[in-house]
Amino acid sequence: RKEVEQDPGPFNVPEGATVAFNCTYSNSASQSFFWYRQDCRKEPKLLMSVYSSGNEDGRFTAQLNRASQYISLLIRDSKLSDSATYLCVVMMEYGNKLVFGAGTILRVKS
Amino acid sequence: DTGVSQNPRHKITKRGQNVTFRCDPISEHNRLYWYRQTLGQGPEFLTYFQNEAQLEKSRLLSDRFSAERPKGSFSTLEIQRTEQGDSAMYLCASTAFGSTEAFFGQGTRLTVV
Repeated sequence: RKEVEQDPGPFNVPEGATVAFNCTYSNSASQSFFWYRQDCRKEPKLLMSVYSSGNEDGRFTAQLNRASQYISLLIRDSKLSDSATYLCVVMMEYGNKLVFGAGTILRVKS
Repeated sequence: DTGVSQNPRHKITKRGQNVTFRCDPISEHNRLYWYRQTLGQGPEFLTYFQNEAQLEKSRLLSDRFSAERPKGSFSTLEIQRTEQGDSAMYLCASTAFGSTEAFFGQGTRLTVV
């Protein structure tokens, strides 16, 4: 079983749609959680950290359920510029390696 | 440019040759990571350094791969006797002390022919 698993995608949605990505992780000792965004042929960049209390950044909302070992990302009012690959990322302990999921491709169409 | 810098950006090599990549992290970032990414997959962990100490190396990394960070600043990743399966994007990332945000370089794309 992979350490981090994500919805396979791709997700093809119209502008203005709401889209949700799911992710599960296998190691209950994981400490920190993130969503990274990767544009085509570019490097990954941090989108947002994920906390048990949930966090929101504009149109983006991330949630963590430690009991279920489940992470989600919700994007509201999708824009064309949101088209990218979204990577679910887990860190085992502070300063340790980041473990990436395979990523979910989002395509927002006009 | 104060971001993570990787050189070269592209490398084409014949099977069996050795290649070396360089990564210059963001100044004063004490942790440095190497990842490998193939098409349709997320970055796969290779190794990481805290200052000059190599703290972890993936079991997926064969003996043909070696990484160094001699003075705790830049790092090099060497692949000996390259194979076609080594073709991938090699990404370097760094983090500052006390931070969990990793900043990635633009990567070195290796093609083994």
